[in-house]
Amino acid sequence: DAGITQSPRYKITETGRQVTLMCHQTWSHSYMFWYRQDLGHGLRLIYYSAAADITDKGEVPDGYVVSRSKTENFPLTLESATRSQTSVYFCASSSLVGEAGELFFGEGSRLTVL
Amino acid sequence: AQSVTQPDIHITVSEGASLELRCNYSYGATPYLFWYVQSPGQGLQLLLKYFSGDTLVQGIKGFEAEFKRSQSSFNLRKPSVHWSDAAEYFCAVGAWNQGGKLIFGQGTELSVKP
Repeated sequence: DAGITQSPRYKITETGRQVTLMCHQTWSHSYMFWYRQDLGHGLRLIYYSAAADITDKGEVPDGYVVSRSKTENFPLTLESATRSQTSVYFCASSSLVGEAGELFFGEGSRLTVL
Repeated sequence: AQSVTQPDIHITVSEGASLELRCNYSYGATPYLFWYVQSPGQGLQLLLKYFSGDTLVQGIKGFEAEFKRSQSSFNLRKPSVHWSDAAEYFCAVGAWNQGGKLIFGQGTELSVKP
């Protein structure tokens, strides 16, 4: 089915472990984003990508790494997870070129770091 | 600094009553404005967006919003709320030169009484 999918939907890990959250979209959208959602903060941008092999930091990038070797995939890696990274992570994509447009969101990945 | 403020963290309305959710923004450029809705355990879905032109915009599910530049506001309204409208609502702002990056408010949780 067309759309944007995230995996895993739920993940429990321990402090210090590496975790990778996957994001896949079937629209061939150029732009992809990772947000985290925390109570009282709304959604905050972690990283974004304008195209394959082009990524840039958002508002809260520390502790995260991204890559984008293919247009359709945008994985987010926590190299050494900390409790403060317990959150719900949303991947989004957009086809915009040169102007703001609609973001299409995945269903989220709920990560708990013990 | 660029920011979006949703003053009401939680609102409860009776089914059939009217609804207004407030959104104020602070943004240096001409803003593009969005309202998204999030049902429990789901991703975010676009309700409506304002880019330019008519300051009263219509969205899905019977929602509308009015852009008031002088008040830096983009309030969301619905004349008659349905129980299925219970969800969290996010206001977001972006601009043509921001590559699709949106700044989100903290969200307003809407409860609907029978």
